[in-house]
Formats: sequence, structure tokens, C-alpha cells
Amino acid sequence: DGGITQSPKYLFRKEGQNVTLSCEQNLNHDAMYWYRQDPGQGLRLIYYSQIVNDFQKGDIAEGYSVSREKKESFPLTVTSAQKNPTAFYLCASKRTPYLSGNTIYFGEGSWLTVV
Amino acid sequence: AQSVTQLDSQVPVFEEAPVELRCNYSSSVSVYLFWYVQYPNQGLQLLLKYLSGSTLVKGINGFEAEFNKSQTSFHLRKPSVHISDTAEYFCAVSATGFVGGTSYGKLTFGQGTILTVHP
Repeated sequence: DGGITQSPKYLFRKEGQNVTLSCEQNLNHDAMYWYRQDPGQGLRLIYYSQIVNDFQKGDIAEGYSVSREKKESFPLTVTSAQKNPTAFYLCASKRTPYLSGNTIYFGEGSWLTVV
Repeated sequence: AQSVTQLDSQVPVFEEAPVELRCNYSSSVSVYLFWYVQYPNQGLQLLLKYLSGSTLVKGINGFEAEFNKSQTSFHLRKPSVHISDTAEYFCAVSATGFVGGTSYGKLTFGQGTILTVHP
């Protein structure tokens, strides 16, 4: 079945560590996104990529980094510079970034907790 | 820039009762409007979207929403809810049209409304 796979579902990070969240899609979508979800704040855009080997900062990119070496993969690294990383992270994709009426599809999410 | 306000953070309702989840938006340009649903510990699933045409949009699971341009609203309704409708619902907006250059058709979300259906 086509879809977006995020792993791991649950991840614990110690202070000062970098961690990487995986996102893979087999929908042949050009655009991919990372959102952060905190209770009562909705979803906030971290990074997005319109095409392979290109990505742009979203609204809250500080303390995060991404890469887009393959069309189907868009991993997110949460660095030690991110002061409050405990949150639910959602990866998403869209067939083309240029038509804003297209539906964005979401993965199942990853919980990151700092211990 | 666009913004979205969901007027109720929590809506409790009894099973088989009607429900309305309210959403207002602000934008200086024409917009597309979306409603997504999120079940606990899961990603978001599209319920319905308004792009153009009829202002009454029907979606999955018996939900519908009405676009009101003069009131800048896109309220979600269901005439009779089920226990399985318990979830968080997000309203979202994006600017219309072809987005070129470094633009990306940003989807702006509201804060979410938790719908709890009681037996």
C-alpha cells in the first residue's frame, strides 16, 4: 500500500544528543514536510522540500536539520541546539508543491521525549 | 499571510447529537480551506476541502462544512455523531493558485478542537 512511514514511533533523547527521525514515502510525491505538534498549538512547519536536493526553512527551523538526497526520503535531525524538543513530529508529503489545492498526506507521527 | 482560529478547544457532545466545530480564518488573498481529523497517537487524515464551486462541501464519515466568504468561516458539522468520532479536528488554510519560485503553498493550521462523544 502507498503511504508515508515514520520511524521510530517513540524515541527518547538525552540532553546534548542529536537524534534523527526517519520519513519514507512511496507515493512518488515531489514535496515533503516536517511539522511539530504541541498540545493546544496546532501544527507548526519545521522544514519543507519541494524537490530532491533542495529544502527550505519553515516557521520553527532553529535546532533542526534535514536532507533530501532521495525523492522518497526526508529525515529530520533534532540537534542539541533545540531547547525544547519534546513533541510529536509529523512528516507529510504532497504530489506537487506548486498547487496549493492538492491534499497533504501525513505519516503516523513520532514521539520524541527528552530524558 | 493567513491565520486560522478554531473557536472551541474542546467540544463534548452526546452520541447521536449534532455537532458544529467552528473555524474562522484571516487572509488578504483568496484561500483554499481544509478540515483534518487526528485520532490519538496517529497522523492527520483529510476530512474534506473547499477549493471552489458549491460552498457546502461533503466529506468522509458524514461530515460536511460550509464556506462563508463574508464571515470568513468554514464550520464543520455532522448531524449525528458516533463514539468513533472522538478525535481532534484541525482546520487549515492555504493561499490559492499556482505557487512558484520559492513559495510552497503553505498550509496554516488552527490550534485544534478536541471532540469528545459520550455514550
